[in-house]
Amino acid sequence: GAVVSQHPSRVICKSGTSVKIECRSLDFQATTMFWYRQFPKQSLMLMATSNEGSKATYEQGVEKDKFLINHASLTLSTLTVTSAHPEDSSFYICSAFARTGGNYNEQFFGPGTRLTVL
Amino acid sequence: QKEVEQNSGPLSVPEGAIASLNCTYSDRGSQSFFWYRQYSGKSPELIMSIYSNGDKEDGRFTAQLNKASQYVSLLIRDSQPSDSATYLCAVQLSSGSARQLTFGSGTQLTVLP
Repeated sequence: GAVVSQHPSRVICKSGTSVKIECRSLDFQATTMFWYRQFPKQSLMLMATSNEGSKATYEQGVEKDKFLINHASLTLSTLTVTSAHPEDSSFYICSAFARTGGNYNEQFFGPGTRLTVL
Repeated sequence: QKEVEQNSGPLSVPEGAIASLNCTYSDRGSQSFFWYRQYSGKSPELIMSIYSNGDKEDGRFTAQLNKASQYVSLLIRDSQPSDSATYLCAVQLSSGSARQLTFGSGTQLTVLP
């Protein structure tokens, strides 16, 4: 399948600082990427859809000024958690659709970034 | 009503048995269906996709889709302890973003050695 990478895999920061997470499609181009958040023992929650060259689309309840998304190229989307607080501690996962054969697009996930805010 | 529903489990099966995971969805216009496996602390991994009614087999995994009943299942034959994980059902809905997936809450599977 297609490969999606994320960096960093783990980050610990102090409350009030900002953290940037990078998501890259390594062997394909992704005009659309998705950012998810997952709290312990809960399912994935879609935060926003990142569109190359345009503004991201945020899900209801997600603060766009707190979670800044930039999708500047066809292989890179970044999520910046601004002024992070302990309640932002979570597992952040990005994903992208890649064509895998025939006319189907399948969604592949990056390895995730575990954010801990002290 | 949740858009995609799964039994949360936990589901326990002995090694070598068949594990059966079920998922129902509410949007009749749904076109694409996926099963992801997620190990603890890791991100989801795509293991099966199915787009038309019937069965689709890949190794020890068989996905079954019944659009009339709005039901999709995953069978794991000859279950191994390494299959112990949370299995997420995902559906591509007909409304909203053309490629956005909606996930169920996942079923935790434990294969007992």
